[in-house]
Amino acid sequence: DAGVIQSPRHEVTEMGQEVTLRCKPISGHDYLFWYRQTMMRGLELLIYFNNNVPIDDSGMPEDRFSAKMPNASFSTLKIQPSEPRDSAVYFCASSFGPEKGLWNYGYTFGSGTRLTVV
Amino acid sequence: AQKVTQAQTEISVVEKEDVTLDCVYETRDTTYYLFWYKQPPSGELVFLIRRNSFDEQNEISGRYSWNFQKSTSSFNFTITASQVVDSAVYFCALTPALNIAGGTSYGKLTFGQGTILTVHP
Repeated sequence: DAGVIQSPRHEVTEMGQEVTLRCKPISGHDYLFWYRQTMMRGLELLIYFNNNVPIDDSGMPEDRFSAKMPNASFSTLKIQPSEPRDSAVYFCASSFGPEKGLWNYGYTFGSGTRLTVV
Repeated sequence: AQKVTQAQTEISVVEKEDVTLDCVYETRDTTYYLFWYKQPPSGELVFLIRRNSFDEQNEISGRYSWNFQKSTSSFNFTITASQVVDSAVYFCALTPALNIAGGTSYGKLTFGQGTILTVHP
């Protein structure tokens, strides 16, 4: 398996522009997570999906952020409009859930997208 | 609420020294998972180990070992005979294992702040 695939690896954009980050989870995994890593706040969960349905988006910082999972093999995280404080590394992760057996549970992270908003 | 504390912000050792990274956690859940991840300079998050709360056996994998003590809510990580390639940021993390009735806490992987390990030749 190719693992969790994120694109792009790096994104530089100007303040006010729309940014879309993409993620392809591991085939068969039924949970997908979006995390953000910054120096100030560390690694924080933004939103997660189960079977393509958003379960908890309480970590999404504000209305400028939105996430979708139109099918089991693709998810997007969109920021519109982007601001310099959104600069961070955004990670996508996927996993089996305990419904498939607790022993299967574990996260696999993508390589991340480094976003810089200038 | 869950909390993971890695009190050591930075550790610096010389190659071949043993080093222990501390992790203390707080949770009200009776069933949970603990993880260690490694983040090398290249930036990806590499899974090292998962431990279930009902399994307190310690584990050894090559030069790595983990000591899980439920009584003290600790899940410490030891690298024996450290090498330069071990230089990275190490994260301890925690998540409930099952859905809490009426809640959505399952899946929320809470990370510690990380420990920067530098191994000098």
